[in-house]
Amino acid sequence: GDSVTQMEGPVTLSEEAFLTINCTYTATGYPSLFWYVQYPGEGLQLLLKATKADDKGSNKGFEATYRKETTSFHLEKGSVQVSDSAVYFCALITNTNAGKSTFGDGTTLTVKP
Amino acid sequence: NAGVTQTPKFRILKIGQSMTLQCAQDMNHNYMYWYRQDPGMGLKLIYYSVGAGITDKGEVPNGYNVSRSTTEDFPLRLELAAPSQTSVYFCASTFSENTEAFFGQGTRLTVV
Repeated sequence: GDSVTQMEGPVTLSEEAFLTINCTYTATGYPSLFWYVQYPGEGLQLLLKATKADDKGSNKGFEATYRKETTSFHLEKGSVQVSDSAVYFCALITNTNAGKSTFGDGTTLTVKP
Repeated sequence: NAGVTQTPKFRILKIGQSMTLQCAQDMNHNYMYWYRQDPGMGLKLIYYSVGAGITDKGEVPNGYNVSRSTTEDFPLRLELAAPSQTSVYFCASTFSENTEAFFGQGTRLTVV
């Protein structure tokens, strides 16, 4: 079946540091890939997405590139802020699975001033 | 835009009690889902629906039931609550089979 593996957390960075959160996947078919962010006490919200190989999703300074050859979708940001502190989830959907998302376990990011 | 609305936000149940978690979306999405999120873990799918009148089990359906009488509403029923059902529950919807999910704010349930 489909699966998503995220780097284990938690991750603690200083403000303005570079962020990478690794995500690899296995899937049948051709998945769409997503990063969601969850702020404390809230639901998940879409951060960015990519629907085909070599697509780059970007939003709020975050980027991730769909790499089919390495089955990866790593999240990066060049300079994190305290307000980026949250839990980040990598996820995939395949169009053969009734829209059911497969999520990674989440990575908690804490950014210190 | 309301999006996906869940009620209640918090609830404490005693063992053996029952309750219904409400979920409504105003985006005319056909696909709806219920997940539970345990501390430090990802989301596990409980039940899902691909349209009004159609529901199916996810990974962890035991102890739960759902119905989908309208496109907008997708309530989750807990019968005979158990401590193992202490969790945060999220409802989500999608426009189609391969588009992003929209989540509600969650219901934090404690069974004591």
